[in-house]
Amino acid sequence: DAKTTQPPSMDCAEGRAANLPCNHSTISGNEYVYWYRQIHSQGPQYIIHGLKNNETNEMASLIITEDRKSSTLILPHATLRDTAVYYCIVRVAPSSNTGKLIFGQGTTLQVKP
Amino acid sequence: KAGVTQTPRYLIKTRGQQVTLSCSPISGHRSVSWYQQTPGQGLQFLFEYFSETQRNKGNFPGRFSGRQFSNSRSEMNVSTLELGDSALYLCASSLEVRWRPRTEAFFGQGTRLTVV
Repeated sequence: DAKTTQPPSMDCAEGRAANLPCNHSTISGNEYVYWYRQIHSQGPQYIIHGLKNNETNEMASLIITEDRKSSTLILPHATLRDTAVYYCIVRVAPSSNTGKLIFGQGTTLQVKP
Repeated sequence: KAGVTQTPRYLIKTRGQQVTLSCSPISGHRSVSWYQQTPGQGLQFLFEYFSETQRNKGNFPGRFSGRQFSNSRSEMNVSTLELGDSALYLCASSLEVRWRPRTEAFFGQGTRLTVV
């Protein structure tokens, strides 16, 4: 699985959009980009994933660059409850390794009032 | 539907003892993975089970083992506990279908193990 690079921390004002970047310059053509978040002392929570097209669900939007070397997770209207560590993961799907997620250090997002 | 359930939520053990943690996946999910989370090492993959077979294993010593039952429930065991085994142990389950890309993993709340 390709390696990802994320900034260690970011701040965002409540009600504003939070844009979390992720670099995955060694991504392969069959690798997906997944985003999870972990609120303090809870299990990680799936947010969204995509291959090459932009994706949107009720939680967030995922923008993947045309060359697929980077992506941005967008929380359109951040709330205090969005304060968490956000993990960007690149993985092949499906394969014999599909159960394995490799977590980096993630980005700690602090949403401030 | 019910989420992933891990028991117990908290556990205190003494060095040298062994411990067994339990994970009940979401109904219908046959893939169960285990992770260890510590402040120093972050989230690390332990192993994955699918249909009662270990499909993948992380880089952990043999003291860490697991199994999966026919109902997809899984247990992990740590023998001869060390202080460094103190961690949050997380279990995740996923639904796998061949005709669509891998779906997301759903995590439980974890078991907080403290070794004293």
